[in-house]
Amino acid sequence: KQEVTQIPAALSVPEGENLVLNCSFTDSAIYNLQWFRQDPGKGLTSLLLIQSSQREQTSGRLNASLDKSSGRSTLYIAASQPGDSATYLCAVRRDQGGSEKLVFGKGTKLTVNP
Amino acid sequence: KAGVTQTPRYLIKTRGQQVTLSCSPISGHRSVSWYQQTPGQGLQFLFEYFSETQRNKGNFPGRFSGRQFSNSRSEMNVSTLELGDSALYLCASSYWTGGSYEQYFGPGTRLTVT
Repeated sequence: KQEVTQIPAALSVPEGENLVLNCSFTDSAIYNLQWFRQDPGKGLTSLLLIQSSQREQTSGRLNASLDKSSGRSTLYIAASQPGDSATYLCAVRRDQGGSEKLVFGKGTKLTVNP
Repeated sequence: KAGVTQTPRYLIKTRGQQVTLSCSPISGHRSVSWYQQTPGQGLQFLFEYFSETQRNKGNFPGRFSGRQFSNSRSEMNVSTLELGDSALYLCASSYWTGGSYEQYFGPGTRLTVT
């Protein structure tokens, strides 16, 4: 059974700091990994999707890496801003086809202080 | 393009009642998935529908059911509500991105059972 763990559960940093969020998964037979952002009481916003054959994806100040063999992914946020405050979730998809089931970690709650 | 919409956004029900939640996917998306989010368990997969057929199901009791219509809109139903069913219910739709499906989430329905 796939299990996804995110460390730390919460993180508080001053504005402008570069930071790394970690995600690990127990079954390396994944098809892709997706990072999401969730604001309080809201739905999920997709940030980055990494295919199992890829090593990293970048979007603006965000960079996500994937090491499938070790079961790890990191989300790097450069020059953090107060608007980045949210909960960040990673999720893995196992099946190559025939299912959209995502297995989620419990998230890292990020607070960026002005 | 309009995003994933969910109705209602908030709902208060009494134990023993039943409830129906609705999800309209992004135009052109044929897969709809449902997730339950609680503070203790995080995000858990309920089920997925594709072209009106249930393609995958999570580990939830039979009180949780769903369906999808020919226009890809989906509903989920929970019968005989329990206090533990209080949660944020999220719907996601997805489409093929040349090698993978990427999921887009709605804002969720906040269900409170009293």
